[in-house]
Amino acid sequence: DAGVTQSPTHLIKTRGQQVTLRCSPKSGHDTVSWYQQALGQGPQFIFQYYEEEERQRGNFPDRFSGHQFPNYSSELNVNALLLGDSALYLCASSLWGGGTGELFFGEGSRLTVL
Amino acid sequence: AQSVAQPEDQVNVAEGNPLTVKCTYSVSGNPYLFWYVQYPNRGLQFLLKYITGDNLVKGSYGFEAEFNKSQTSFHLKKPSALVSDSALYFCAVRDSLHRDKLVFGAGTILRVKS
Repeated sequence: DAGVTQSPTHLIKTRGQQVTLRCSPKSGHDTVSWYQQALGQGPQFIFQYYEEEERQRGNFPDRFSGHQFPNYSSELNVNALLLGDSALYLCASSLWGGGTGELFFGEGSRLTVL
Repeated sequence: AQSVAQPEDQVNVAEGNPLTVKCTYSVSGNPYLFWYVQYPNRGLQFLLKYITGDNLVKGSYGFEAEFNKSQTSFHLKKPSALVSDSALYFCAVRDSLHRDKLVFGAGTILRVKS
């Protein structure tokens, strides 16, 4: 049973560039959430996708956008990168309408902005 | 707004001794509480959750947590610590309005020494 997979695992960008991160949810899950974990901090909610629509959004600027595909996989896009965007980006999957909020996380994509 | 606090940045314990990692919460309504563990350069792994019912919740790897409503606490415990338990532990609470949105504490580093 495949868990949550994310790619790439590591990447380095420069300020002003754009980045796309990818996530495949756990088998059987249909909902994907994205979290940003800055160094030394707990993860912070960016947004959630279900049925190819953004359902919830945290306190992040419009530079952060996403997409969900018919196969439930998802992308996180960040435009006009800032140094402060350097973080571990975590994807979490779940089943919409089911369960009690337990999320399954991928190993993350570590973004470094120079 | 929902929030959790982890008052200790780091907890040190000797192998074989009991361990406690503290968490207090602030919620409106019934709390949905979680503990996750993160090993270096890895994603988050679910340990246990409290939704309702018994105040003592048992989880993975021999961990348990005690829910205390009067003290608004949800401390993580283990009767006998292992060196392999050394990791970063996060307490989280589910947002009251938004499913799958978890609000995380800042994390507590657990170091178990042999």
